[in-house]
Amino acid sequence: DAGITQSPRHKVTETGTPVTLRCHQTENHRYMYWYRQDPGHGLRLIHYSYGVKDTDKGEVSDGYSVSRSKTEDFLLTLESATSSQTSVYFCAISIRGQETQYFGPGTRLLVL
Amino acid sequence: AQSVTQPDIHITVSEGASLELRCNYSYGATPYLFWYVQSPGQGLQLLLKYFSGDTLVQGIKGFEAEFKRSQSSFNLRKPSVHWSDAAEYFCAVGVTTSGTYKYIFGTGTRLKVLA
Repeated sequence: DAGITQSPRHKVTETGTPVTLRCHQTENHRYMYWYRQDPGHGLRLIHYSYGVKDTDKGEVSDGYSVSRSKTEDFLLTLESATSSQTSVYFCAISIRGQETQYFGPGTRLLVL
Repeated sequence: AQSVTQPDIHITVSEGASLELRCNYSYGATPYLFWYVQSPGQGLQLLLKYFSGDTLVQGIKGFEAEFKRSQSSFNLRKPSVHWSDAAEYFCAVGVTTSGTYKYIFGTGTRLKVLA
């Protein structure tokens, strides 16, 4: 258990509204990641962080922003949600950044 | 371009039968290799990983995987499947591109187990 929690676990929102998902870890690992999971695509990286205030884009970052003001929290924001952002979102951490990633339980987001 | 292929979208096996899930990757060097399992509504749990050394890797829940460099493959096996193994299985590779390490996932194989 890597001590990762995600909140909320489920959310329904409307197109055009802002949404923030939170990932919280208890073990002060440096590297954190946000993925989205869609049928037929596996998991795709949205953004990642390699330290407080240090973030970078993944392969599907359009429409998403992130922030990391504390080691333990990594926030994913959809500035104006669209139906194409309906997905399951997973947070992950890695201990040394070049090895194994451990995943949180996921957040299921539905954008109507 | 780097990629991971899991050619079987769905596999159905009878309980007690053997299982092999295929994974092939495209990368210019030997990547780090992983298998994860996802039960419905759950996150991904690490089954096993390969970084170097012995090409046959043992994991949790009785799973093993074999790295074959010549075939760019990392197939997952289990000699006798249990009903609780029904889940979705993801192969992933860890690669470094332009100094950045990242995971690339396959699209997953959904396993159904018949009683």
